[in-house]
Amino acid sequence: KAGVTQTPRYLIKTRGQQVTLSCSPISGHRSVSWYQQTPGQGLQFLFEYFSETQRNKGNFPGRFSGRQFSNSRSEMNVSTLELGDSALYLCASSLAVGQGSYEQYFGPGTRLTVT
Amino acid sequence: AQSVTQLGSHVSVSEGALVLLRCNYSSSVPPYLFWYVQYPNQGLQLLLKYTSAATLVKGINGFEAEFKKSETSFHLTKPSAHMSDAAEYFCAVSSFSGNTPLVFGKGTRLSVIA
Repeated sequence: KAGVTQTPRYLIKTRGQQVTLSCSPISGHRSVSWYQQTPGQGLQFLFEYFSETQRNKGNFPGRFSGRQFSNSRSEMNVSTLELGDSALYLCASSLAVGQGSYEQYFGPGTRLTVT
Repeated sequence: AQSVTQLGSHVSVSEGALVLLRCNYSSSVPPYLFWYVQYPNQGLQLLLKYTSAATLVKGINGFEAEFKKSETSFHLTKPSAHMSDAAEYFCAVSSFSGNTPLVFGKGTRLSVIA
């Protein structure tokens, strides 16, 4: 069974631009979560989607948004990029909602660099 | 609110020596507890998970962790370190209901010296 895939793997953007990252979950998984990983702040939860609905949201500004499609694929968008948005963005999928109840499988991440 | 503290951002052990990575948690409700491992340029992989079924949890690659409620700890151990164990390890907590997002510790980088 194919794992979680994230595209692109690497991305370089300029301040003020916007970016869209994509995540394809494991087949049959309906929940997708997004995390931001930085050396300073570590792993921080962004949001979780299940059946096209946002179920949980972390403490990030409104510039960070996401969505989930009917095939469970998910995208996250960051508008008006800032230097501090440089990070590894990780996507994780699980069978159902509830990050404690269901094992999450992580993708390799998208490395975003903002210059 | 839940939180996780991992003591030691970097731990170095000799090959064949005991690995001990420390994790203390704070949770107002019964927790789920996890240990994840991250190899360079990769995502996180679940090592083991505590779900209250047993206080000693065995995971993959020879790792295990013991849940100690009185000490609010969930330390990760492995009797004999291998070079391939060099990676970053994260402890995480979620509520027993499973409906709260995972809260991760800052991580501990494990180095294994030949």
